[in-house]
Amino acid sequence: AQSVTQPDIHITVSEGASLELRCNYSYGATPYLFWYVQSPGQGLQLLLKYFSGDTLVQGIKGFEAEFKRSQSSFNLRKPSVHWSDAAEYFCAVGAQGNKLVFGAGTILRVKS
Amino acid sequence: DAGVIQSPRHEVTEMGQEVTLRCKPISGHNSLFWYRQTMMRGLELLIYFNNNVPIDDSGMPEDRFSAKMPNASFSTLKIQPSEPRDSAVYFCASGPDYNEQFFGPGTRLTVL
Repeated sequence: AQSVTQPDIHITVSEGASLELRCNYSYGATPYLFWYVQSPGQGLQLLLKYFSGDTLVQGIKGFEAEFKRSQSSFNLRKPSVHWSDAAEYFCAVGAQGNKLVFGAGTILRVKS
Repeated sequence: DAGVIQSPRHEVTEMGQEVTLRCKPISGHNSLFWYRQTMMRGLELLIYFNNNVPIDDSGMPEDRFSAKMPNASFSTLKIQPSEPRDSAVYFCASGPDYNEQFFGPGTRLTVL
């Protein structure tokens, strides 16, 4: 069965610093991979997705993610974090029947 | 595009009362999902529909929960009778294909 692991429950970075959020997945075939962001009191917003092709995908708000099949990873990165990026981030893998399997989420705190 | 619309945004009710949550998916999307989010359990998939047909309701916690999708533009999630442990944020999401999902803003349910 598909599964997603986000090893970091909380991460704190300074504003302007770079960010990397880790995501590891378990899936038998080529996965469809997603990153979502949830600001407090809001729904989940799609940041970016990987279906096939170029393993480095660009998303909204300056985020990017790299698919590494050998490591079963899909880490999210941003070169310079802004205070407004503070939120919870969810990695997800596509499963049969159009379902998504979500990781437990990583809460990002940004300190000024 | 108005996105996924959910109503009400907030619902406070007393134990034993019936609660109905509503969702209007994005036009043209053929999949619809109901999720529940709590601090303790994270994001849980309750049920999903494809072309208005329930495909997997294994996440529905009890017989007190029921969901319908009478047409492509409307779905309901009903809890009868409601209990305090049902307090959570309930999200509706819709998707066109390939596991991609777009989330609504959620309904925050409080059962006293």
